[in-house]
Order: sequence, then C-alpha cells, then structure tokens
Amino acid sequence: IAGITQAPTSQILAAGRRMTLRCTQDMRHNAMYWYRQDLGLGLRLIHYSNTAGTTGKGEVPDGYSVSRANTDDFPLTLASAVPSQTSVYFCASSGLAGAGELFFGEGSRLTVL
Amino acid sequence: GQQVMQIPQYQHVQEGEDFTTYCNSSTTLSNIQWYKQRPGGHPVFLIQLVKSGEVKKQKRLTFQFGEAKKNSSLHITATQTTDVGTYFCAGSKASNTGKLIFGQGTTLQVKP
Repeated sequence: IAGITQAPTSQILAAGRRMTLRCTQDMRHNAMYWYRQDLGLGLRLIHYSNTAGTTGKGEVPDGYSVSRANTDDFPLTLASAVPSQTSVYFCASSGLAGAGELFFGEGSRLTVL
Repeated sequence: GQQVMQIPQYQHVQEGEDFTTYCNSSTTLSNIQWYKQRPGGHPVFLIQLVKSGEVKKQKRLTFQFGEAKKNSSLHITATQTTDVGTYFCAGSKASNTGKLIFGQGTTLQVKP
C-alpha cells in the first residue's frame, strides 16, 4: 500500500541517548515534513524539506536534525534526547512544498526518561 | 514568526447541533488547509482553500477563507457521532514554501 512508513511505532529512551526516527514515502513526493504533537499545542513543525538535498527549520528545530539524501527518506535525529522531547512525532509528505494535501504517517510515540 | 491561532480548543455538542471552529493567522496566507484527526489516529486532509473569500462545501461541512486571507472557518451542520475528533487548520505564507504551520486544533465531542 502506497504511503508513508514511520519507525519505530513506539520507543522509550533514556535521556542523553541518540535516537533516529525513520520516515520513508513511496509516492515520489517532493516535500517532506516532521511535526511533533503535544496535548494543547497541536502540531508543531520541526523541520521540512522542499526537495531532495534541501532542508529547512520549522517552528521548533532545536535539538533535532534532519537529512534528505534522496526523495524517499527523511530521518529525524535527536542527538542527545531530553525529557521535553517526549512527544508523538508525525512525518508527512506532499507533492508540492507549502501547498497540496499532506499525507501523514501513523506516528512515532517517543518517551524520554 | 508566522502564527496560526485556532478557537475554541474544545467543544462539546449534542448530536444534531451545529459546530464551528475558527482559524486566524498573524500574516496573509497563500492557502489554508483543514485536517481531521480521529482519537489515536493521524491527521487526514479534508480540503484546501486558495482564493480570497472562497467557500467550499463537503456534505455537512462548510469551509470559508476570509477576504484578507488571514482567517478561515469550518462549520459542521447537524453534527453526528462520526464527527468526533480534532480539527486542525494549517496555513502557508506565500514566501515560506514548505513551512505549513498548524493551529492548535479544536477537539469536538458529540453526545448521542
């Protein structure tokens, strides 16, 4: 089934550890996004990529890094996790950057202790 | 920076009542999108509005984009229990391609 795949689905992580959330899409979409969702705060944009080879900072980029080596993959890395990064992380893609329907993955629930 | 504010945060209605959620941006938007997220699920695209003053309907849902392209609303007529979920607006400035900013969402509860 075409769409976005995120991994892992859920993870408990000790503070200070490095963690990479994986995101793969098979729709050949140009744009990809990482959002975090926290109760009462909605979805906040962490990083985005308009096309392969380019990335940009969103609303809450600190503590996170991304890369876009190819069209399909957009991993999100937490270099040294902190408890405030406990959240549900959603990866999304769209055919056109900044416009057009966003397709979301199922989400990755991360708990940092 | 760009901000998108959404109200109310929560709304409880009796089945059959109408429901409206409002979205306001601090800056002019090139387009606005609406999404619905069921409990435990991921956001699902509902619609995109592009033109100033645009109104679009999807069955019992009516979406409006303000004349100044800074605000939008979603109105549901005669709510049903299947309408339960959180509704998000998301906007993009013309100059900020890729930066699609979401509002905080409105969580709708419908009592049967």
